[in-house]
Amino acid sequence: ETGVTQTPRHLVMGMTNKKSLKCEQHLGHNAMYWYKQSAKKPLELMFVYSLEERVENNSVPSRFSPECPNSSHLFLHLHTLQPEDSALYLCASSLAGDYTDTQYFGPGTRLTVL
Amino acid sequence: GQQLNQSPQSMFIQEGEDVSMNCTSSSIFNTWLWYKQDPGEGPVLLIALYKAGELTSNGRLTAQFGITRKDSFLNISASIPSDVGIYFCAGQLLSSGSRLTFGEGTQLTVNP
Repeated sequence: ETGVTQTPRHLVMGMTNKKSLKCEQHLGHNAMYWYKQSAKKPLELMFVYSLEERVENNSVPSRFSPECPNSSHLFLHLHTLQPEDSALYLCASSLAGDYTDTQYFGPGTRLTVL
Repeated sequence: GQQLNQSPQSMFIQEGEDVSMNCTSSSIFNTWLWYKQDPGEGPVLLIALYKAGELTSNGRLTAQFGITRKDSFLNISASIPSDVGIYFCAGQLLSSGSRLTFGEGTQLTVNP
């Protein structure tokens, strides 16, 4: 138990669906992250939020839309996804957005796009 | 962008054996991290290294930050079945804030 929870743990959706992934951290951290983990590939950073402000968007397609309403919650809104978007989506948090801060990961949401 | 080359990609060992894996990069990193990911879970931090030459242990795990700051290794001594999982290295640059660059992972299988 790392203090970072993600729901749902598994999600199957069609290409025309709209769904959202949720992440919640109970660590009092101020920075939150979305990563994509595909088979046989390194983790890819998607978005970084620090103090609820998006500080990085790593060239992610607009069909992925993040939202950070407060420092404890992070969402990833999905719409008109493609099959190649199927992957494990990991949320992480850290105390701040500094390079010395340890990032704590949630268990991930396994997404399958049909 | 920066890339980390992690090797080996997979290892099959007997319980009790020692394991070694490493990461190399063409870039200089300020921080090296080693994570382990169990099936169905997110990565969990094992060891963090902040100084070139630093050697840090965490139980049966030992990791070192290379002198050139372009590499790091992780050793696991006397492996046990619960060591099974994917081990990732990650590096951070001072200039990149909190951005982590990950290796592709080493899949470890331990046979009882």
